Amino acid sequence: EVQLQQSGPEVGRPGSSVKISCKASGYTFTDYVMNWVKQSPGQGLEWIGWIDPEYGSTDYAEKFKKKATLTADTSSNTAYIQLSSLTSEDTATYFCARRWELDYWGQGVMVTVSS
Amino acid sequence: DIQMTQSPASLSASLEEIVTITCQASQDIGNYLSWYQQKPGKSPQLLIHSATSLADGVPSRFSGSRSGTQYSLKINRLQVEDTGIYYCLQHYSAPWTFGGGTKLELK
Repeated sequence: EVQLQQSGPEVGRPGSSVKISCKASGYTFTDYVMNWVKQSPGQGLEWIGWIDPEYGSTDYAEKFKKKATLTADTSSNTAYIQLSSLTSEDTATYFCARRWELDYWGQGVMVTVSS
Repeated sequence: DIQMTQSPASLSASLEEIVTITCQASQDIGNYLSWYQQKPGKSPQLLIHSATSLADGVPSRFSGSRSGTQYSLKINRLQVEDTGIYYCLQHYSAPWTFGGGTKLELK
């Protein structure tokens, strides 16, 4: 059974960074890209970018190029997103989702930016 | 960027009714179109991929179609558990872009 298990909720101070994990199981981690999606409170879905765990290649939406860094650890089958220079605009739920068509999703991680 | 214009933004329908949600792409995206259902506090669930293919485990009352750059999700015989917010997604050209969502409620 494919599962994407994300880490727990995060609280970050303005200007700081947070790193969220997404541990994959039930399939070969390097077979598929991993996407990341942002959902601000009460809002729709916004694609952040993807990472190919096999090669480490990435692609980002323009607005997230200076905000998010995607990495993957093939030894632990885990994908990560680091969000830097946090502002109130980064308060949101962040999802990981597998494959180009985003067929399986993690449960989401709520990131709250607060001083 | 490719714009995905989704309509309607909200919809109220009766049990057993037929419901249709559409997404209009701003340019050709081929069949690189997926549909998702999201319930409150949950992650989105894939319903349709490749514009017309039903995802594993999804009830057959859901179907997808394409006419040029217009894509439709149809729900036959609406059920109570079909309430939620529906999104389309194009993954033809980066950045992938979602439609604005359709909130489906029971009348």
